[in-house]
Amino acid sequence: EPEVTQTPSHQVTQMGQEVILRCVPISNHLYFYWYRQILGQKVEFLVSFYNNEISEKSEIFDDQFSVERPDGSNFTLKIRSTKLEDSAMYFCASLGGRRGDTQYFGPGTRLTVL
Amino acid sequence: AQTVTQSQPEMSVQEAETVTLSCTYDTSESDYYLFWYKQPPSRQMILVIRQEAYKQQNATENRFSVNFQKAAKSFSLKISDSQLGDAAMYFCAYRSFFNGGSQGNLIFGKGTKLSVKP
Repeated sequence: EPEVTQTPSHQVTQMGQEVILRCVPISNHLYFYWYRQILGQKVEFLVSFYNNEISEKSEIFDDQFSVERPDGSNFTLKIRSTKLEDSAMYFCASLGGRRGDTQYFGPGTRLTVL
Repeated sequence: AQTVTQSQPEMSVQEAETVTLSCTYDTSESDYYLFWYKQPPSRQMILVIRQEAYKQQNATENRFSVNFQKAAKSFSLKISDSQLGDAAMYFCAYRSFFNGGSQGNLIFGKGTKLSVKP
């Protein structure tokens, strides 16, 4: 069964450093998403991406964040200068299309900012 | 804006028994999707069940079923014959149909932690 994959599973970084989180969505999916979950809290939407551009973003997704689909398979989330409060689990998800009803999630990347 | 509320931070059930997790939501939309996701300690998000708002029939997936009350904006999850492997965090989520203001992102509740006692 096709699945969404994410790398790395755990990333530790120093405050102020740049990190790139990588995702490989399901191959024939068209819509891509990033979500964040701070430990013990609910999952929050960050950004959606379609047709090589951001289609929607939340207030969390400020200028520190960017997304990219550099080739036909990868979907990346970059945090330019990490802060302590960026420590969280980051989930990538993909959706088949407008008529698709289910987002499939990757296993997540745990980001720890020291 | 849509909101999702899960009023039970924690629930406990005896193995083989039945438990119901509550979820309410607020929306002015008439067409949407509702989901229950399970998050075990590994923190992977696993789809449990989904419901289309235009369908009156409650969704069922093996031991999991929902009670969807559209007028009351309620979407509870019933787990029958509970198993130890059901112990996890359960999140209720809402998704609009695609339109100018929504690109299909999910809105989650705060979750209910389910413990299963042997």
